[in-house]
Amino acid sequence: EIVLTQSPGTLSLSPGERATLSCRASQRLSINYLAWYQQKRGQAPRLLIYSTSSASSRATGVPDRFSGSGSGTDFTLTISRLEPEDFAVYYCQQYGAFGQGTKVEIK
Amino acid sequence: EVQLVESGGGLVQPGGSLRLSCAASGFTFSRYWMSWVRQAPGKGLEWVANIKEDGSVQNYVDSVKGRFTISRDNAKNSLYLQMDSLRADDTAVYYCAREIPASTASFDYWGQGTLVTVSS
Repeated sequence: EIVLTQSPGTLSLSPGERATLSCRASQRLSINYLAWYQQKRGQAPRLLIYSTSSASSRATGVPDRFSGSGSGTDFTLTISRLEPEDFAVYYCQQYGAFGQGTKVEIK
Repeated sequence: EVQLVESGGGLVQPGGSLRLSCAASGFTFSRYWMSWVRQAPGKGLEWVANIKEDGSVQNYVDSVKGRFTISRDNAKNSLYLQMDSLRADDTAVYYCAREIPASTASFDYWGQGTLVTVSS
């Protein structure tokens, strides 16, 4: 069973800054991609980044300031320049495993 | 427009049962794996169960095996979750979600969720 551990738990940043969120898998992943979701209070999660067996892609309508990278056991979601609407909780996921989430809050 | 609308949540006593439904529209329901994902109050996301396009394969998280049953009716474009022997730690918002084909079970559409509260 794969366990996904996200860090940090909370990230305090200002609009315009770069956000780097980490997701570490307990074992090397057979498929080298994770999905990433954004969730705002009281709303369902929104898919940001997903993967097929061959590639990683941004979901429809997701701005290009969001990008995913990584391999093996270490993966990263980067938000190049934070916009006010980006302050939320972010989750990584692969198959039946979700990370515990990283909250990006306004500093 | 893809829509997933859950219903059936509510307050139930420990040991009781509840059946959740998810009505799908705006896409060919029978071509997609579907999942239930839950979120306890103030907590993170937990995948609960999924079901193959034709209903022939179901998978469950260990904590609900033997208590929950996922099913679907492709003629009615509907997904279900029968929850028996409910426990306090099953209290959560339950979302139905569509899986992207050939993906690592990524979920591209989610319902708004239905709240299940298990309490005496």
